[in-house]
Amino acid sequence: NAGVTQTPKFRVLKTGQSMTLLCAQDMNHEYMYWYRQDPGMGLRLIHYSVGEGTTAKGEVPDGYNVSRLKKQNFLLGLESAAPSQTSVYFCASSYDDTSNEQFFGPGTRLTVL
Amino acid sequence: GQQVMQIPQYQHVQEGEDFTTYCNSSTTLSNIQWYKQRPGGHPVFLIQLVKSGEVKKQKRLTFQFGEAKKNSSLHITATQTTDVGTYFCADHSSNTGKLIFGQGTTLQVKP
Repeated sequence: NAGVTQTPKFRVLKTGQSMTLLCAQDMNHEYMYWYRQDPGMGLRLIHYSVGEGTTAKGEVPDGYNVSRLKKQNFLLGLESAAPSQTSVYFCASSYDDTSNEQFFGPGTRLTVL
Repeated sequence: GQQVMQIPQYQHVQEGEDFTTYCNSSTTLSNIQWYKQRPGGHPVFLIQLVKSGEVKKQKRLTFQFGEAKKNSSLHITATQTTDVGTYFCADHSSNTGKLIFGQGTTLQVKP
């Protein structure tokens, strides 16, 4: 099993450009999450999904959109990137809401110039 | 919204010394999870605490959940260089599976 994978690993954007980050998991998990990690601020939840076709807002959803068309994939979109979105983005998944742990992907380092 | 505060932000210790990081909240925590993130890596689950006053051990790591479920701690006995990384606590919502993370404590160990 690959676990949770993320593409791309690195990306540099110019302000105003758009991009999509892809997260895939092969553990048949229902729940998937997108976090951003900034120095000194821990991980903050952007959006999450409790099942295929569902999405919900987290702590910091503004400027991002998500889609969960397939159970194994969770996409994070930036329609018009801003320098404030420079961060490391982590995707995670868990079996359900009572599961003990979330499994994290390796992360995507995004720089917006 | 709910906040989980973690202290200290950084800790430098000599190999063999002990280390403790503390997690505090002004509101009652649901369940506490602890994660470790190695430099350049991703968070990896360590443990979950559910019950008031719970204490769990993993080799040199001891995890505690406060009696009022408003604080938690992670204590490492006799640190090793392999303990280097950032340790995060997170409040786990059993309704949605959502995690609210503390800011993390970064541990450096001098050999």
